[in-house]
Amino acid sequence: DGGITQSPKYLFRKEGQNVTLSCEQNLNHDAMYWYRQDPGQGLRLIYYSQIVNDFQKGDIAEGYSVSREKKESFPLTVTSAQKNPTAFYLCASNHRGGQPQHFGDGTRLSIL
Amino acid sequence: GESVGLHLPTLSVQEGDNSIINCAYSNSASDYFIWYKQESGKGPQFIIDIRSNMDKRQGQRVTVLLNKTVKHLSLQIAATQPGDSAVYFCAEIPLDSSYKLIFGSGTRLLVRP
Repeated sequence: DGGITQSPKYLFRKEGQNVTLSCEQNLNHDAMYWYRQDPGQGLRLIYYSQIVNDFQKGDIAEGYSVSREKKESFPLTVTSAQKNPTAFYLCASNHRGGQPQHFGDGTRLSIL
Repeated sequence: GESVGLHLPTLSVQEGDNSIINCAYSNSASDYFIWYKQESGKGPQFIIDIRSNMDKRQGQRVTVLLNKTVKHLSLQIAATQPGDSAVYFCAEIPLDSSYKLIFGSGTRLLVRP
């Protein structure tokens, strides 16, 4: 089945450590997105990419980095500069100019 | 800044009753609206959408109503079932963003057996 796969489902980060969250889609979507969700809150946009080798900052990009080397992959790195990384991270994708966005099942990141 | 918000953080309904979840938006230039359902530990799932040139759209057991005059969006679920228990988010896409969804904080729907 086509869809968006996020891994791992749970991730723990030590102080000063960078961690990378994986997002893969086989929907042939051009655009991909990363959101952060805190308990009891809506989704906030971290980064998005409309095409391979191009990406833009969202509303809360500080402390995060991304790459888009392949159409189907959009990994997110949570760097040590992100002082409050504990959250539920969601990846989404859609066709350029088309909605709605389809979401993966998320990665829950916690601090050790 | 522009935002999408919800009136009720938690809604409790009896199984079989109809549910209405409300959402207010502030950007009158928004062109497109979406309702998502999110179950615990999962990503949001698309339910239904509506464009600004429509007032109403129906799906299977769900109806979305858009009132542009008062900038209000609602999701109606008919004959609510236990499987409908989840958090529901409305989201808008402003005309000048094309790709960016602005999400509300969500409403939790609890279905009593």
